[in-house]
Amino acid sequence: AQSVAQPEDQVNVAEGNPLTVKCTYSVSGNPYLFWYVQYPNRGLQFLLKYITGDNLVKGSYGFEAEFNKSQTSFHLKKPSALVSDSALYFCAVRLNSGYSTLTFGKGTMLLVSP
Amino acid sequence: DTGVSQNPRHKITKRGQNVTFRCDPISEHNRLYWYRQTLGQGPEFLTYFQNEAQLEKSRLLSDRFSAERPKGSFSTLEIQRTEQGDSAMYLCASSLASGTGYDTQYFGPGTRLTVL
Repeated sequence: AQSVAQPEDQVNVAEGNPLTVKCTYSVSGNPYLFWYVQYPNRGLQFLLKYITGDNLVKGSYGFEAEFNKSQTSFHLKKPSALVSDSALYFCAVRLNSGYSTLTFGKGTMLLVSP
Repeated sequence: DTGVSQNPRHKITKRGQNVTFRCDPISEHNRLYWYRQTLGQGPEFLTYFQNEAQLEKSRLLSDRFSAERPKGSFSTLEIQRTEQGDSAMYLCASSLASGTGYDTQYFGPGTRLTVL
């Protein structure tokens, strides 16, 4: 079985400050890891993914994520938050062999204040 | 690339009625997925197709749910005898399967179902 935990329901940060949205995962093997963002009344938009190689992955809109195998974490980061980054963020995992379903966390609401 | 589209965007129905949703994937994507998302939760996998073959179904997909992808392009998801517990956002995603196995799923805007 595979699972994702996003321990924070909401993260508040001031514009211009760095942000981190936390994600830990559990999978019986090596993972593929993904971050998606969801704006109100819209579908999920792909931000970035970790497949293999460099533990620091860069994605869309200045976001990046760091894969830490020992801590089974894949935290999303951005050096300087924008008000427009306010949205719901989902972490997802799947096993990296054969086909496996994508399992999502319950999401973290990011609120960036001006 | 026009993205994944879903119709209708909103559907309100009475308990016991049947509803059908449509998903048009990104052209040339051979995999298509259906998810259900309820308030405060992440998307939950329902089923997936590779071309026209339905390869996996979640135990969440009760007998009242059926999905098809007849020509390997668009897909429909039908819910028969709807119940209030079916109220949710139904999301469709598509991807291009590659030999490496790490295809990225791209999501449509969803269909919000409300069962009265």
